[in-house]
Amino acid sequence: AQKVTQAQTEISVVEKEDVTLDCVYETRDTTYYLFWYKQPPSGELVFLIRRNSFDEQNEISGRYSWNFQKSTSSFNFTITASQVVDSAVYFCALKGTSGTYKYIFGTGTRLKVLA
Amino acid sequence: SQTIHQWPATLVQPVGSPLSLECTVEGTSNPNLYWYRQAAGRGLQLLFYSVGIGQISSEVPQNLSASRPQDRQFILSSKKLLLSDSGFYLCAWSEGQDTYEQYFGPGTRLTVT
Repeated sequence: AQKVTQAQTEISVVEKEDVTLDCVYETRDTTYYLFWYKQPPSGELVFLIRRNSFDEQNEISGRYSWNFQKSTSSFNFTITASQVVDSAVYFCALKGTSGTYKYIFGTGTRLKVLA
Repeated sequence: SQTIHQWPATLVQPVGSPLSLECTVEGTSNPNLYWYRQAAGRGLQLLFYSVGIGQISSEVPQNLSASRPQDRQFILSSKKLLLSDSGFYLCAWSEGQDTYEQYFGPGTRLTVT
């Protein structure tokens, strides 16, 4: 069975602080894909990043960075120097490759960045 | 570039009334299409997905149904709405089987009164 766990339900930080959102996944597939999405108050989910299971390089995009560790089945997301506009719900998702079209989403982490 | 449309944006319907939500995708062919529901403050629940015209897979048995009459059109329906059908409905599409991320529409906020 596939599963994504986002243990942090809600996080509050003060603007300019760094914050890390945790994501732990379970899958038996040897090849799989991991994703992060942002859901601002408007509701639409915005795709942030895709990571393939065979590529463990960490990625940085501006203030965003992602740390993928297969050894601990984690795909954590760090926002550096957070801003109020980062306030949103963030979802981690997993897609296996064993004949499935389904994406498994975590329950999301609500991030509140206070001015 | 690809675009996904959903309508209506908001809907208030009485219990027992029918429902029809529409989703269309532009700029791609034979997309995989998905309907999700998100209850207030909760995660995403996959309702249906479709990998081709007329091919619908249901994930949750309930009074909702889905149809895909055209390649890039996905419709969510109900004959009689329940209070528990209230929520935020999101349509999404993806390309291919294994390698691609999903892209989501703007969503429909449904309130059943």
